[in-house]
Amino acid sequence: DTAVSQTPKYLVTQMGNDKSIKCEQNLGHDTMYWYKQDSKKFLKIMFSYNNKELIINETVPNRFSPKSPDKAHLNLHINSLELGDSAVYFCASSLQGADIGKLFFGSGTQLSVL
Amino acid sequence: GESVGLHLPTLSVQEGDNSIINCAYSNSASDYFIWYKQESGKGPQFIIDIRSNMDKRQGQRVTVLLNKTVKHLSLQIAATQPGDSAVYFCAENVRGYSTLTFGKGTMLLVSP
Repeated sequence: DTAVSQTPKYLVTQMGNDKSIKCEQNLGHDTMYWYKQDSKKFLKIMFSYNNKELIINETVPNRFSPKSPDKAHLNLHINSLELGDSAVYFCASSLQGADIGKLFFGSGTQLSVL
Repeated sequence: GESVGLHLPTLSVQEGDNSIINCAYSNSASDYFIWYKQESGKGPQFIIDIRSNMDKRQGQRVTVLLNKTVKHLSLQIAATQPGDSAVYFCAENVRGYSTLTFGKGTMLLVSP
């Protein structure tokens, strides 16, 4: 069973479109994240949710809106896609407390904006 | 050898060699450090962690060394195998903060 699964794996779309990426974890973790990885492999936190509540929102354009219907799901909706949004987006989860550093990542969604 | 190119720093080794991947961190308040391995087409995977009250921690074929004086972290991989080829990231956390800050990554290439 996949611990953290995100869909789709590849997403190719035109500028200006709206798209969503879904993420689910079956680890019973209480914290979920979205990370963006650019073409130079740099990983940057976008959002962090704990028990469905937003706790971290880095300097991300408000075109990006995370939604957590329950603590096992954290979806990412992106409005008005721009060329610079092209990247690999990773969902991750962890427990709080001492295990905060042990993130479990999904396999990524490669977003290409044309 | 190790090189810094236009993209990721890359370390090329022969199978069976020991590999050392280095990481400098900048936040002196960081007290928890983690190494991740990212294989091609996959998400990063936890390898080993160390807290600031330790200077060395060993796992299976991996050792992490922490030098808080110079804010330096290293990952040593013994008897490197082709399956170790990946991008390796160090990450740091400050107590009380709920996120990790990742370093830039080093690509390890292992030749048979």
